[in-house]
Amino acid sequence: DVKVTQSSRYLVKRTGEKVFLECVQDMDHENMFWYRQDPGLGLRLIYFSYDVKMKEKGDIPEGYSVSREKKERFSLILESASTNQTSMYLCASSLPSSKEQYFGPGTRLTVT
Amino acid sequence: AQKVTQAQTEISVVEKEDVTLDCVYETRDTTYYLFWYKQPPSGELVFLIRRNSFDEQNEISGRYSWNFQKSTSSFNFTITASQVVDSAVYFCALSEAQEYGNKLVFGAGTILRVKS
Repeated sequence: DVKVTQSSRYLVKRTGEKVFLECVQDMDHENMFWYRQDPGLGLRLIYFSYDVKMKEKGDIPEGYSVSREKKERFSLILESASTNQTSMYLCASSLPSSKEQYFGPGTRLTVT
Repeated sequence: AQKVTQAQTEISVVEKEDVTLDCVYETRDTTYYLFWYKQPPSGELVFLIRRNSFDEQNEISGRYSWNFQKSTSSFNFTITASQVVDSAVYFCALSEAQEYGNKLVFGAGTILRVKS
């Protein structure tokens, strides 16, 4: 079974802090994704990566950056957290051809 | 541009009732993929089905069935004889074949509550 893990289930940070969300997958997938989930808006793509050190902006990249130094790990970085970044963050991975994405359990981030 | 609409924000049913979750999509591509995911209270999205645009056959898997109609751009999901364990948020999603990196566009989700 594909396993996607995220470093924290719940996180509380203060405004202005730098925040790191980590995601690790164990299936050698090329593609990895970061989404945020907000009520009434579904999941929106922040960034994705199709290979090590490669990244592409999604629909809402502002205020975020990413890092992919190793194939299995994809990090989401909030350079200076703001209250409007309070949300559920979901990581996913997939093979290039399958289209099907496998999701981690999510990190519920609260910025106060 | 791609778009997925799930007009039903929340549905409540009593156990053993049948329930249909609606999904309408927009795309300019002739080749695309449609998905349904389930998000139980634990939070992790669970893949349910993928359908490509050339396969309009309906699919049945146990109590779940999917009705894909290109003529109305709909991909509806029916749960027969619902159970309390079906309570979850259900997402419909679209991926265009030409889209590099197989990005998904999600609908807003439908909250399904099944009461005993």
